[in-house]
Amino acid sequence: DSGVTQTPKHLITATGQRVTLRCSPRSGDLSVYWYQQSLDQGLQFLIQYYNGEERAKGNILERFSAQQFPDLHSELNLSSLELGDSALYFCASSVAGWETQYFGPGTRLLVL
Amino acid sequence: QQQVKQSPQSLIVQKGGISIINCAYENTAFDYFPWYQQFPGKGPALLIAIRPDVSEKKEGRFTISFNKSAKQFSLHIMDSQPGDSATYFCAASMGYKLSFGAGTTVTVRA
Repeated sequence: DSGVTQTPKHLITATGQRVTLRCSPRSGDLSVYWYQQSLDQGLQFLIQYYNGEERAKGNILERFSAQQFPDLHSELNLSSLELGDSALYFCASSVAGWETQYFGPGTRLLVL
Repeated sequence: QQQVKQSPQSLIVQKGGISIINCAYENTAFDYFPWYQQFPGKGPALLIAIRPDVSEKKEGRFTISFNKSAKQFSLHIMDSQPGDSATYFCAASMGYKLSFGAGTTVTVRA
């Protein structure tokens, strides 16, 4: 168990809908990272937050947004969902730097 | 566009054998090269990592070999065990972003 928690574990929704994925980092970790894992794209970095501020952006679509709250938990919002958004979404956390990232168990999103 | 190319896609090894996974990169700005292990239904877990100023790093049965001039690095799993059956990802990083390889599924046959 990495200490990173993600909810929900599974999510089934329809195209055009909006969902929110939640992540609680390990105690004491200030950085949160979001990744998307799909069969065709592999594991892709989406975005990083450090102590509430956006630090780095990867291949995140404009339909997706994230934020980190004062208690350091983070939410990833996915809107206008498309079939291709079906994937595993992982959250990871680290103390400050990016080197040792601890991954959560992921949220499996299925868009029908 | 995959910034880190990983091969093979899958491999099968007998218990006690050696598993070798190779990765190559183009961007010389990468300065940190971790390997992650992922079991089905779980998130990736950091296995071992290396910086480009070191040519080899060993932790238990896992060894990273790094060839800076060739821009290649590899993971060797010695004395492979059935519990090593998992998907392994190499990655490279500069700053905050990790770029992952496509993954190698390793199956260790008893």
